[in-house]
Amino acid sequence: KQEVTQIPAALSVPEGENLVLNCSFTDSAIYNLQWFRQDPGKGLTSLLLIQSSQREQTSGRLNASLDKSSGRSTLYIAASQPGDSATYLCATKGTFGNEKLTFGTGTRLTIIP
Amino acid sequence: EPEVTQTPSHQVTQMGQEVILRCVPISNHLYFYWYRQILGQKVEFLVSFYNNEISEKSEIFDDQFSVERPDGSNFTLKIRSTKLEDSAMYFCASSGQGTINSPLHFGNGTRLTVT
Repeated sequence: KQEVTQIPAALSVPEGENLVLNCSFTDSAIYNLQWFRQDPGKGLTSLLLIQSSQREQTSGRLNASLDKSSGRSTLYIAASQPGDSATYLCATKGTFGNEKLTFGTGTRLTIIP
Repeated sequence: EPEVTQTPSHQVTQMGQEVILRCVPISNHLYFYWYRQILGQKVEFLVSFYNNEISEKSEIFDDQFSVERPDGSNFTLKIRSTKLEDSAMYFCASSGQGTINSPLHFGNGTRLTVT
């Protein structure tokens, strides 16, 4: 059974700093890994999706990496802004017959102005 | 940009009552999902739906739960007899174009409170 872990549970950094969020998973048999953002009381906004054959994906100030063999992914946020404050979730998609997303508990990020 | 929409945003019901949560997925998407998030816990998979039938379901999705796509645009989750532990945020999601690597797009959720 896939287990997805995100450490730390909460992180506060001053505005303008670069930061890295971590995600680890126990079963490397995945189709892809997706990073989401969740604002309080809101749904999940998809940020980046990395396919199992890829090593990284970039979108604007965000860069996600994937090391499937070690069961790790990171989300790098450059030049952080107060608007980046949210909970960030990673989720793995299983392979054929087990294709649901398995979510981590998230990292609550606070950017201090 | 197309969105997944869910109604209502908040539903309060008494234990034992039936509830129907409604979702309108993105129009050209083919795969539909329900997830839930109990307060303070992880987002959990409930069920996936493709080609007018359930393709996968979790152990949470027991006989009290059912899904339907009644008219080609709506996707509903019904809970027949709600329990206190059904209180959670319920998220609908869709993905499209027939590729397993399409990202999931989530709605803003329905907060279900069972009293």
